[in-house]
Amino acid sequence: AQSVTQLDSQVPVFEEAPVELRCNYSSSVSVYLFWYVQYPNQGLQLLLKYLSGSTLVKGINGFEAEFNKSQTSFHLRKPSVHISDTAEYFCAVSLVQAGTALIFGKGTTLSVSS
Amino acid sequence: DGGITQSPKYLFRKEGQNVTLSCEQNLNHDAMYWYRQDPGQGLRLIYYSQIVNDFQKGDIAEGYSVSREKKESFPLTVTSAQKNPTAFYLCASRGGQGRNQPQHFGDGTRLSIL
Repeated sequence: AQSVTQLDSQVPVFEEAPVELRCNYSSSVSVYLFWYVQYPNQGLQLLLKYLSGSTLVKGINGFEAEFNKSQTSFHLRKPSVHISDTAEYFCAVSLVQAGTALIFGKGTTLSVSS
Repeated sequence: DGGITQSPKYLFRKEGQNVTLSCEQNLNHDAMYWYRQDPGQGLRLIYYSQIVNDFQKGDIAEGYSVSREKKESFPLTVTSAQKNPTAFYLCASRGGQGRNQPQHFGDGTRLSIL
């Protein structure tokens, strides 16, 4: 069965510091990969996605992620965070071979302080 | 603008009562999904529908029911059989062939018990 593990439930950082949110997945078949952001009491907004091609994917708000097939990871990075990046971040996978729902990790809360 | 509308934003349920959460989309998407979100649990799939008049159970379907009579609408009923309904409920839709397309989310409905 497929699964997604977000390795940190909470990540506190100071403003303008770099950040990495870690995501590992488990699947015996090819997958598509997504990162979403959720602000309080709102739905999820797509940050970026990896479908194929270049393993470095750039998204909105200055975020990027790198797909590493050998390590089955899809870590999210930002070189300099802002207070407004404080939110919950979800990693998700979709099986290439089956058109069903996304499988989500349990989320990482990013807290940016000044 | 196209999007997904969930209503109401807040909902209260009395013991033994059924309540229905509305989800409407004008994105012309075939697939629609319902998720439940609890703190620290991530998103768990309740039901999904790939096409009108067809739907499938997700991981936690017990105590819930859905219908898909129109492409635009996918209401979720939380029945009295659901003993712990307090949660944040998110509706999503997905276009194209589904597999490599991201899901689009509504802003959620927060359900509480009176």
